[in-house]
Amino acid sequence: AQTVTQSQPEMSVQEAETVTLSCTYDTSESDYYLFWYKQPPSRQMILVIRQEAYKQQNATENRFSVNFQKAAKSFSLKISDSQLGDAAMYFCAYRRAGAGKSTFGDGTTLTVKP
Amino acid sequence: EPEVTQTPSHQVTQMGQEVILRCVPISNHLYFYWYRQILGQKVEFLVSFYNNEISEKSEIFDDQFSVERPDGSNFTLKIRSTKLEDSAMYFCASSEVGSSANEKLFFGSGTQLSVL
Repeated sequence: AQTVTQSQPEMSVQEAETVTLSCTYDTSESDYYLFWYKQPPSRQMILVIRQEAYKQQNATENRFSVNFQKAAKSFSLKISDSQLGDAAMYFCAYRRAGAGKSTFGDGTTLTVKP
Repeated sequence: EPEVTQTPSHQVTQMGQEVILRCVPISNHLYFYWYRQILGQKVEFLVSFYNNEISEKSEIFDDQFSVERPDGSNFTLKIRSTKLEDSAMYFCASSEVGSSANEKLFFGSGTQLSVL
């Protein structure tokens, strides 16, 4: 079974600084997708960034980028120039290709200090 | 951007009562899902639905749960006899399969179910 581990229950960062959230996963599949979701206090699930396992290039979306290490099964999220609006719970998620359930990590609560 | 809509946003019910949570997935999507999140915990998969039948379900999705697509647009989750531990945020999601550019899940804004 696939598992997703986020080892940092809480992280904090100073506004305008950079922070990295860690995620590791376990799977025997070769084709899959990895995602980072942001969940603000409203509890809406907002897709931040996604990575296809077959792509070696790390995905980037504006201030958000990932460090995808397929052999190590590691998928970290880097937030640059942190903003107060980035404060939220962040979930890492795995999903095998061809649809199917997504497996989520326990989440990391990110606090941004002004 | 198209979105998944869920109603109601908050549902309060008495233990033992039946509840139906409603969702309207994105119109050209083919796979539909229900997830739940107990407050402060991770998001958990309940069930996936494709071609008018359940394609996968978790151990949480027992006989008390059922899903239905009664018409061309709605996708519902029914809990027959609610328990206190069913209190959670329930998320509906949909995805468009077959296009690698769109292999992502679109979540609705959730229904908070409170069982008293």
